Formats: sequence, structure tokens, C-alpha cells
Amino acid sequence: AQTVTQSQPEMSVQEAETVTLSCTYDTSESDYYLFWYKQPPSRQMILVIRQEAYKQQNATENRFSVNFQKAAKSFSLKISDSQLGDAAMYFCAYRLSPWGGGADGLTFGKGTHLIIQP
Amino acid sequence: DTGVSQDPRHKITKRGQNVTFRCDPISEHNRLYWYRQTLGQGPEFLTYFQNEAQLEKSRLLSDRFSAERPKGSFSTLEIQRTEQGDSAMYLCASSFATVYNEQFFGPGTRLTVL
Repeated sequence: AQTVTQSQPEMSVQEAETVTLSCTYDTSESDYYLFWYKQPPSRQMILVIRQEAYKQQNATENRFSVNFQKAAKSFSLKISDSQLGDAAMYFCAYRLSPWGGGADGLTFGKGTHLIIQP
Repeated sequence: DTGVSQDPRHKITKRGQNVTFRCDPISEHNRLYWYRQTLGQGPEFLTYFQNEAQLEKSRLLSDRFSAERPKGSFSTLEIQRTEQGDSAMYLCASSFATVYNEQFFGPGTRLTVL
């Protein structure tokens, strides 16, 4: 079974600074997708960024970028120029490629609570 | 369409009672997912539908849980004979079946079993 581990229950960063959230995962598959989701307090979860395992290039979305290390099974999220609106729970998630015939549900980590200090 | 909606947002019930939750997905989405999230944990996958067909069920979905999507649009999740361990946030998500299959989440239904 696939597992996702987020070893940082809470992280704190000064506004405008850069922060990196860690995620490791365990799988025997070679074709899969990785995601970072953001869950603001009392609001619904939204997708921040995704990475296809077959792509070597790290995904970026504006201030958000990932460091994907497939051999190490590591998938960290870097948030540059942190803003107050970035404060939320961040979840790392894994899903098998649809071509692998595997489960379609997401497997989530326990999350990292990100605090932005003004 | 403003996104995935769930009803009710909060439900308090007594142990042993049955409860039913509803999820309305984004209208053009053909896949619908249910997850459960307990305090301090990430969401855990329960089941998903493609159109009206229930294609996958997690082992977390005990016999007391049943989900339906009768016309391939909205879905209901029923929990029979609720237990205190059922207290959690129940999240619904929907997607359009593509390679990326991005899942859009609803606000959740928070269930408290007394």
C-alpha cells in the first residue's frame, strides 16, 4: 500500500520569506502523480500544484514550486514570498496513474500547519 | 456553477441513529469521491463513482456505510447505527475523468456522534 509522510506538523515563516514543506512517500509503482493541496481554516481544500512522476522537470505555479526527487521518493513544496493568505494546512497527496489500473482515490499525508507571521 | 456543495454542513446525532449526507458535484464532472477526515489527519479515501457506477470502495467503508449516485449527478452517503468513532469531517470531491483527474473538494459535512 502506498503511504505519504509529512514529518513537519507545523511550520512558521515570516511574511515575504521562503518556506519549504517536506513530503516523502512510499510506493512500488513507477507511474503516479503527486499533489499539494491547501486547506485554509474552515474553507475547502484546493489544489496548489501537481507533478507527474514521469516528468523530470519540477512543477511551478507562480510562487509555488516543488522539488521532486523520484529516487529518494521525496516531494517538497517551496513557497516563495510568503503571504498572509498562505496560512493553512498543506497536504501532500499521491495517486496512481490511470494507466496503471490502480486505485483512483488520493492518499494523503497528515498535513503541515503553516503559520505566516506578519 | 460555484463548485462542489455539501449538505448539511454540520450534523449532531446520537449514537445508534442513522444519518445521510448529500453532495452535489460540479455539473459537468462525471467522477465523484467521498473522503473522511478526522482531527489532525489527512483525508482518507472511502469510495468513488464514475457516473452512477460505484467503481471502488475502501476497506474503511464498513457495512454500516452506503453510498449512492442514482442518476450520475448528486450523491448520498448514509451511515447506519452511528458510533462515536464515526465523528469526522466527510468530504466530497468531483472531477472530470482526464489523465490529471484534478479533484475539486466541497466544504465538507462535520459529523458529531454523541
